[in-house]
Amino acid sequence: GAVVSQHPSRVICKSGTSVKIECRSLDFQATTMFWYRQFPKQSLMLMATSNEGSKATYEQGVEKDKFLINHASLTLSTLTVTSAHPEDSSFYICSAPTGATYEQYFGPGTRLTVT
Amino acid sequence: AQSVTQLGSHVSVSEGALVLLRCNYSSSVPPYLFWYVQYPNQGLQLLLKYTSAATLVKGINGFEAEFKKSETSFHLTKPSAHMSDAAEYFCAVSGLRGFSNYKLTFGKGTLLTVNP
Repeated sequence: GAVVSQHPSRVICKSGTSVKIECRSLDFQATTMFWYRQFPKQSLMLMATSNEGSKATYEQGVEKDKFLINHASLTLSTLTVTSAHPEDSSFYICSAPTGATYEQYFGPGTRLTVT
Repeated sequence: AQSVTQLGSHVSVSEGALVLLRCNYSSSVPPYLFWYVQYPNQGLQLLLKYTSAATLVKGINGFEAEFKKSETSFHLTKPSAHMSDAAEYFCAVSGLRGFSNYKLTFGKGTLLTVNP
């Protein structure tokens, strides 16, 4: 099946700094990618839809200035957590749909810890 | 609007026993339904999907699910549990068509433990 990668897999940063997470579709093009956040022992919460060549669409309650999304190419979307705080610590997962099969392929996730 | 309800946040079975994880959905349009599995600190792996073809769907690792429109259910089963099946399972629904609208709505997940 299709492969989606994320980098880094784990990151620890200090409060007030910014962190960038990359999501790449390795063997297919993705004009749309999704970013999710997952708290411990909870389900995935959709944060935003990343659209290649246009602005991301954020879900209600998600701060667009805090979570900057850039879909730079057909295979790369980035999520930047700006001025990170401990409450931003979470597991961030991206996904990309393949139109032919209506399914989404998920990246392995990025564990962010803000100290 | 779509929603997914997974009955039972934790299911425990013995190795070799039947696995049954329940999922009910609500969708205003004909749904696409999915089951994903997540191992600790990993992303999600697709087990199987229903996309309006056969109502009995077979997936990987011996899992299958049956779409029952009258019951708005999409329960996941496996005849004989293996220790390696221990993981978190998520049911998800996507009801919109169009490439830009593949948003998934997830259930809260069911943690499956398998006892030796």
